[in-house]
Amino acid sequence: KAGVTQTPRYLIKTRGQQVTLSCSPISGHRSVSWYQQTPGQGLQFLFEYFSETQRNKGNFPGRFSGRQFSNSRSEMNVSTLELGDSALYLCASSFMNTGELFFGEGSRLTVL
Amino acid sequence: QQQVKQSPQSLIVQKGGISIINCAYENTAFDYFPWYQQFPGKGPALLIAIRPDVSEKKEGRFTISFNKSAKQFSLHIMDSQPGDSATYFCAAIITQGGSEKLVFGKGTKLTVNP
Repeated sequence: KAGVTQTPRYLIKTRGQQVTLSCSPISGHRSVSWYQQTPGQGLQFLFEYFSETQRNKGNFPGRFSGRQFSNSRSEMNVSTLELGDSALYLCASSFMNTGELFFGEGSRLTVL
Repeated sequence: QQQVKQSPQSLIVQKGGISIINCAYENTAFDYFPWYQQFPGKGPALLIAIRPDVSEKKEGRFTISFNKSAKQFSLHIMDSQPGDSATYFCAAIITQGGSEKLVFGKGTKLTVNP
């Protein structure tokens, strides 16, 4: 069974630009959640989607948004990038309220 | 109330030794406590997990001890090996909350010297 796939793996943007990250969950998993990982703040929850609906959202500004498609694939978007948005963005999928999340390898975003 | 506090921040152990990482939580609604292992350049991977109705769970060299009254849980790695060198995160989640939202500890960087 293929794991969680995130694209792109690495990207460099400049301040003010926007970025879209993609996540393909494990086949059959309907829940997709996103986390931001930085050395200072650790792993912080961004949002979670289930059957195309956002079920929960973390404490991030509105510049961070996401969506989920009917095939459970998900995208997150960050607009008006700031230097502090440089981080590893991790996507995780799960089957259904099991608490067992399977993470992708992440998309490393560098904002210059 | 949503925090999970993890210690130590870093840990150096000799090969064959015991590694112990501790976590504490406040929210008694948490009902599932997983530990994740993360190697450089990789995403976190589920290592072992426990529910609060169990005081201990063992899988190979990895053991979770859970103290519900103290709201603490810990990971013990027996016979630590250099290949165990990674960052370990404890986490907590409310599985009945209708959302898969993990609250993570800050992580412990474990180094096992040969």
